[in-house]
Amino acid sequence: GAGVSQTPSNKVTEKGKYVELRCDPISGHTALYWYRQSLGQGPEFLIYFQGTGAADDSGLPNDRFFAVRPEGSVSTLKIQRTERGDSAVYLCASSLSARNEQFFGPGTRLTVL
Amino acid sequence: RKEVEQDPGPFNVPEGATVAFNCTYSNSASQSFFWYRQDCRKEPKLLMSVYSSGNEDGRFTAQLNRASQYISLLIRDSKLSDSATYLCAVKYGDDKIIFGKGTRLHILP
Repeated sequence: GAGVSQTPSNKVTEKGKYVELRCDPISGHTALYWYRQSLGQGPEFLIYFQGTGAADDSGLPNDRFFAVRPEGSVSTLKIQRTERGDSAVYLCASSLSARNEQFFGPGTRLTVL
Repeated sequence: RKEVEQDPGPFNVPEGATVAFNCTYSNSASQSFFWYRQDCRKEPKLLMSVYSSGNEDGRFTAQLNRASQYISLLIRDSKLSDSATYLCAVKYGDDKIIFGKGTRLHILP
């Protein structure tokens, strides 16, 4: 079956612009996670959704970052006033429930010039 | 101190050799433990969960030492295809996974 998909695969933007990154989880998975991975680092947790609600957003670095999952399926990560330090691969993962294995999508590579 | 620490390597190991990685974690409340494999420019994929009694999957053996708060991964009879970055990860309850930086492994022909 289809895995987690993320669009776009690559995004190049200019400092100060707004970007949206999309995640389509595996069908039926109730838990959805966003991570950010910088070069030479492991994935860093950003936010976790259980259904439509954000159960834990403690990893969002500041108020420029926001994520939604309005219907409990697709999620969008939104970054306002992008900075060069936001450049990274943004990974989405989903799991059947919070106790199950997380499956990762291929990521969106964000480059802020 | 980082929550999950790993030697970044790289480990350069001849094909057929045995290689071992260790990982330490700082939060004694950690409940679940994992090794992930990540190929260059790809997403992480679960290699194996790590159980208190230790567990084996083919050439791969994982061990957990709760008292010393470390996790290990042993790869026997290494193959060229084992070349990748191996990420150690811990989880508290039903929430997020905390990853280490990863250990790079190069298997040499």
